[in-house]
Amino acid sequence: EAQVTQNPRYLITVTGKKLTVTCSQNMNHEYMSWYRQDPGLGLRQIYYSMNVEVTDKGDVPEGYKVSRKEKRNFPLILESPSPNQTSLYFCASSLRDPRWTRLEQYFGPGTRLTVT
Amino acid sequence: AQTVTQSQPEMSVQEAETVTLSCTYDTSENNYYLFWYKQPPSRQMILVIRQEAYKQQNATENRFSVNFQKAAKSFSLKISDSQLGDTAMYFCAFMKIRPNNNNDMRFGAGTRLTVKP
Repeated sequence: EAQVTQNPRYLITVTGKKLTVTCSQNMNHEYMSWYRQDPGLGLRQIYYSMNVEVTDKGDVPEGYKVSRKEKRNFPLILESPSPNQTSLYFCASSLRDPRWTRLEQYFGPGTRLTVT
Repeated sequence: AQTVTQSQPEMSVQEAETVTLSCTYDTSENNYYLFWYKQPPSRQMILVIRQEAYKQQNATENRFSVNFQKAAKSFSLKISDSQLGDTAMYFCAFMKIRPNNNNDMRFGAGTRLTVKP
């Protein structure tokens, strides 16, 4: 089954304790992205990756890191989490079709992160 | 930068009736995609419908259809014969198209739709 998986689905942690949220897709997609969802703000892009070893900042990258060593994986790293990073996080991937006919993003199930 | 505005934070509709969710966007791009995503209580993001800006014909998917007004930069979603399972948060999203497109997708703040029995 084609899917994007994220782990963990729920996480409660304390300020300053490094954590990683994993994201993996089995569709051989080149493009992957991380979003955070906050009430009244919709989804905002944190980081994206257009291919292996190619990553770039989105709209709200502060406090986050990513890596793309393999095509299927795109982990999100919080080196020193703070309470303002409490949010719902989504990983997404998509295929780049040169005819621009299949560009919708496939989303993971979300990770609810609480930083106390 | 592209912005997406959903002016209705919450809406409700009676089962079997029709409801329209509004979305406007601001862009200087000529080629782009527009999407409606549904987020039920399970929090999964589910693609409802997609519209290519170069297509004049409005997209339809079963009970879901859009009214795409490119000049007005409006992209509303109509849900016909509403069902209880349509209860969800709905997000409008914009994605520009360029040769080195980063697939950056901009989302509106969402409209929470409740279908009442």
